[in-house]
Amino acid sequence: DAGVTQSPTHLIKTRGQHVTLRCSPISGHKSVSWYQQVLGQGPQFIFQYYEKEERGRGNFPDRFSARQFPNYSSELNVNALLLGDSALYLCASSLGGPTDTQYFGPGTRLTVL
Amino acid sequence: QKEVEQDPGPLSVPEGAIVSLNCTYSNSAFQYFMWYRQYSRKGPELLMYTYSSGNKEDGRFTAQVDKSSKYISLFIRDSQPSDSATYLCAMSARGNTPLVFGKGTRLSVIA
Repeated sequence: DAGVTQSPTHLIKTRGQHVTLRCSPISGHKSVSWYQQVLGQGPQFIFQYYEKEERGRGNFPDRFSARQFPNYSSELNVNALLLGDSALYLCASSLGGPTDTQYFGPGTRLTVL
Repeated sequence: QKEVEQDPGPLSVPEGAIVSLNCTYSNSAFQYFMWYRQYSRKGPELLMYTYSSGNKEDGRFTAQVDKSSKYISLFIRDSQPSDSATYLCAMSARGNTPLVFGKGTRLSVIA
């Protein structure tokens, strides 16, 4: 079975631009979460979606938004990019049940110049 | 005080050594505890998943949770060079809710 997939693998943008990151969960998983991992730090929670509804939002500015599609894939959008947005963006999926844990994709490495 | 504290290391050990990795936390609501392994520039890979207190063993890996002390540990026996990676502890109050991670401990196993 394929794991969580993310695209693109790497991305270079300049300040002020917009970026869209994509995630496909493990087959059968209905919940997707997004995390930001800055170099040398642990991942920080950004959003969680379950059945296309937002389940949770971390402490990130409104420049960050996300959505989940009927096939459970998801997009993370970041507007007005700042240098500090440079990070590894991780997508995790789970079945969505109360005891289920999350499995991570390989991430998208975003560099903002 | 951060919710989850983890010594970032780096930790360097000889091949075959027993490795002990630890995290402390402050939120008594945490009930689900995980250890992830992350190779350089890759996504975290789930190693161990424990609910509440107790021990769990899987091959060379043992996870321990002591909720009374708010302290979790991961032991790696007979460490191998392929174990060289960053180890992240993570926890949550309920399953499938946002994970709170430590900073990660960078481990090097020297052949």
